[in-house]
Amino acid sequence: SAVISQKPSRDICQRGTSLTIQCQVDSQVTMMFWYRQQPGQSLTLIATANQGSEATYESGFVIDKFPISRPNLTFSTLTVSNMSPEDSSIYLCSVLGGTHYNEQFFGPGTRLTVL
Amino acid sequence: EDQVTQSPEALRLQEGESSSLNCSYTVSGLRGLFWYRQDPGKGPEFLFTLYSAGEEKEKERLKATLTKKESFLHITAPKPEDSATYLCAVRTDRGSTLGRLYFGRGTQLTVWP
Repeated sequence: SAVISQKPSRDICQRGTSLTIQCQVDSQVTMMFWYRQQPGQSLTLIATANQGSEATYESGFVIDKFPISRPNLTFSTLTVSNMSPEDSSIYLCSVLGGTHYNEQFFGPGTRLTVL
Repeated sequence: EDQVTQSPEALRLQEGESSSLNCSYTVSGLRGLFWYRQDPGKGPEFLFTLYSAGEEKEKERLKATLTKKESFLHITAPKPEDSATYLCAVRTDRGSTLGRLYFGRGTQLTVWP
């Protein structure tokens, strides 16, 4: 299984500021995924990050709010821009694994609180 | 619209008291049903993937089964260390993103000694 690390593990930020979350994987992967887990809600996919191309965003998520970088096959960043209290969530990085991508692994998450 | 519903929302069991968690789904074109365990403050830990009705998978005290409309996670003789939130998710053939999983809200399991 893939080992995924995220930084920071948690942060408390002021309204209007931005935070960049880093995701590091212990093996090369084509696709990396960013999810959000809001309090009391189910995990929701934000975007797919492919190395060498623009990220693909899900409905309801836009690049200006959640810019993503994917400089190589083991690393990605997600920025939460111009934050509001509604952005308080856990943000998780995810990668596929297993034979025929029959497994999907998640990082430990970044717990963000916006005041 | 694709939907994943888990029940119950919370379950309290005494150690050794077996039970089942339910995940019902209404999706167009199931391409896999995933079970995860999530401990407080941690990311989801992958448990199983099921693909077709009748399929079963086991891991220690956990057994997952799948029908055409729902999946069950059976917990046999649970121990306090099995306490966690169990998440169900589906992958469908809608769109081309393999990594897009639709999650339920989870069942919070507490096992007391």
